[in-house]
Amino acid sequence: QVQLVESGGGVVQPGRSLRLSCAASGFTFSNYVMHWVRQAPGKGLEWVAVISYDGSNKYYADSVKGRFTISRDNSKNTLFLQMNSLRADDTTIYYCAKGRAIQLWSPLDYWGQGTLVTVSS
Amino acid sequence: QSALTQPASVSGSPGQSITISCTGTSSDVGSYNLVSWYQQHPGKAPKFLIYEGSKRPSGVSNRFSGSRSGNTASLTISGLQAEDEADYYCCSYTGTSTSYNYVFGTGTKVTVL
Repeated sequence: QVQLVESGGGVVQPGRSLRLSCAASGFTFSNYVMHWVRQAPGKGLEWVAVISYDGSNKYYADSVKGRFTISRDNSKNTLFLQMNSLRADDTTIYYCAKGRAIQLWSPLDYWGQGTLVTVSS
Repeated sequence: QSALTQPASVSGSPGQSITISCTGTSSDVGSYNLVSWYQQHPGKAPKFLIYEGSKRPSGVSNRFSGSRSGNTASLTISGLQAEDEADYYCCSYTGTSTSYNYVFGTGTKVTVL
């Protein structure tokens, strides 16, 4: 069965960096687009970024553009989110999610359990 | 990109049907039949319920159905059950020829009375 396990969250000071990982299993990772979505505690979902199946195309929400970088290692079935210049409003749970198909517009069908990032001095 | 608008809360009694609306614009819901719906129980990851407006993934109860008209998508839950009490989010693709983006709804808390 599809499993997505995020890691790398924690407490970080404003302005610093953090790298999240998402280990995927139970499907052919290299055949699907992958996303990062975040959710502040008690708040709604916010889409963050998407990466194509081969890593050649990446798109971001305006709120993170220029600060966050999505990437993937298909040889290790792992998705990454490099987060730089972190701000207090980046404090959220970060979910990785699998796209339903290879197309970039595919809906998100499986989600990990999330990893909490807290930006605080 | 502004969030899609959903009612903050909807309630119903067991066995009843409820409908959750999701209002966007001609740049998202109105332009693409690429609306999906998710159910989220407290402390859990979202669960995929509906895609392309009205299609159900395998394993999802047929009590959940979706539709779209103009700039508004809707999720209907029929035969409401206690386990349906959760938060529900819509999501629409909203891209251009050079950009791919997604926008989620504000979320709706469903209460089973």
